[in-house]
Amino acid sequence: GAVVSQHPSWVICKSGTSVKIECRSLDFQATTMFWYRQFPKQSLMLMATSNEGSKATYEQGVEKDKFLINHASLTLSTLTVTSAHPEDSSFYICSASAGLAGDEQFFGPGTRLTVL
Amino acid sequence: AQTVTQSQPEMSVQEAETVTLSCTYDTSENNYYLFWYKQPPSRQMILVIRQEAYKQQNATENRFSVNFQKAAKSFSLKISDSQLGDTAMYFCAFIPPTGANSKLTFGKGITLSVRP
Repeated sequence: GAVVSQHPSWVICKSGTSVKIECRSLDFQATTMFWYRQFPKQSLMLMATSNEGSKATYEQGVEKDKFLINHASLTLSTLTVTSAHPEDSSFYICSASAGLAGDEQFFGPGTRLTVL
Repeated sequence: AQTVTQSQPEMSVQEAETVTLSCTYDTSENNYYLFWYKQPPSRQMILVIRQEAYKQQNATENRFSVNFQKAAKSFSLKISDSQLGDTAMYFCAFIPPTGANSKLTFGKGITLSVRP
């Protein structure tokens, strides 16, 4: 199956700083990438959908100024958590799709963010 | 809007036994796709099995099979000959076939423990 990578796999930062998470599709062109947030023992919560070259579409309740998403190429999307606070600590997962109807989404391994 | 319900938060099964995980969904769509994803302790999301709603035949993948009841909007996962490596959270998910930005709707998940 297709491979999606995320970097870093874990990050610890101080409150008030910004953190960038990269999501790359390694062996296919990802028309669409999705960003999820997951708390322990809970389901995945979709944060936003991004298409290459377009502005991301954010889910209701997700602050677009806090979670900046850039999808600069068909293989790379980035999520920047700006002015991070302890409540932003979570597990962030990206997925990528080649864009066909009902197409499988390939998930990255996730990034654990801890804000001190 | 679509909803996916997994009403059992936890289940346990003896190694080599068979277990069935339940999932129901609600949608007004006629064509759609259903998935079961596995999330082991590593937290990497892994696709277990996929069902296309217009196909009457239940999908199977080795030890994993589904019982898809379209009229009842039920999509259960049967794991045969359970193995210790099957210990994970399992998520049922739905996606409509409306194109590249189609979003996955996940259930809350069920934690499955396989006992040696």
